[in-house]
Amino acid sequence: GAVVSQHPSRVICKSGTSVKIECRSLDFQATTMFWYRQFPKQSLMLMATSNEGSKATYEQGVEKDKFLINHASLTLSTLTVTSAHPEDSSFYICSARVRGPGNTIYFGEGSWLTVV
Amino acid sequence: QKEVEQDPGPLSVPEGAIVSLNCTYSNSAFQYFMWYRQYSRKGPELLMYTYSSGNKEDGRFTAQVDKSSKYISLFIRDSQPSDSATYLCAMSVAGNQFYFGTGTSLTVIP
Repeated sequence: GAVVSQHPSRVICKSGTSVKIECRSLDFQATTMFWYRQFPKQSLMLMATSNEGSKATYEQGVEKDKFLINHASLTLSTLTVTSAHPEDSSFYICSARVRGPGNTIYFGEGSWLTVV
Repeated sequence: QKEVEQDPGPLSVPEGAIVSLNCTYSNSAFQYFMWYRQYSRKGPELLMYTYSSGNKEDGRFTAQVDKSSKYISLFIRDSQPSDSATYLCAMSVAGNQFYFGTGTSLTVIP
């Protein structure tokens, strides 16, 4: 299957700082990538849909100024958590859509963010 | 009503058992159906993908889609302890938006 790489897998940052998470499609071009947040023992919560070369579409309740998403190339999307606070600590996962007959999505390994 | 309903479990079975995982949905326009396996603290891994109705088999895994009943299933034969994970169903109309179940937690006891 298609490979999506997410980095870093774990990050600890101080409250008030910003942290960037990268999501790369390694063996295919991803015109659309999705960013999710997942709390322990809960399902995926879609944060935003990122299309290459255009602004991300955020889900209701997600602060676009706090969670900056950039999809500058067909293989890379980034999520920047700005002015992070302890309540932003969570598991963040990206996925990328494979175009063609499959029309499915593959996930990255996820990134654990801890804000102290 | 949620777009996709999935029993969260937890489901506990002995090693070697046949496991049946299910999801129901409300949108008859869904035509792409997926099952993902998620181990603790990891991203979901695509297990099975089905387009429209029918069955699909891959090793010990069989995915079934019944569009008339708006019901999909994942069967795991000869379950192994390594199958212990959370299983998520997902579906899409045209590949632009994906709707997920809440996930079913499965434990296979040696």
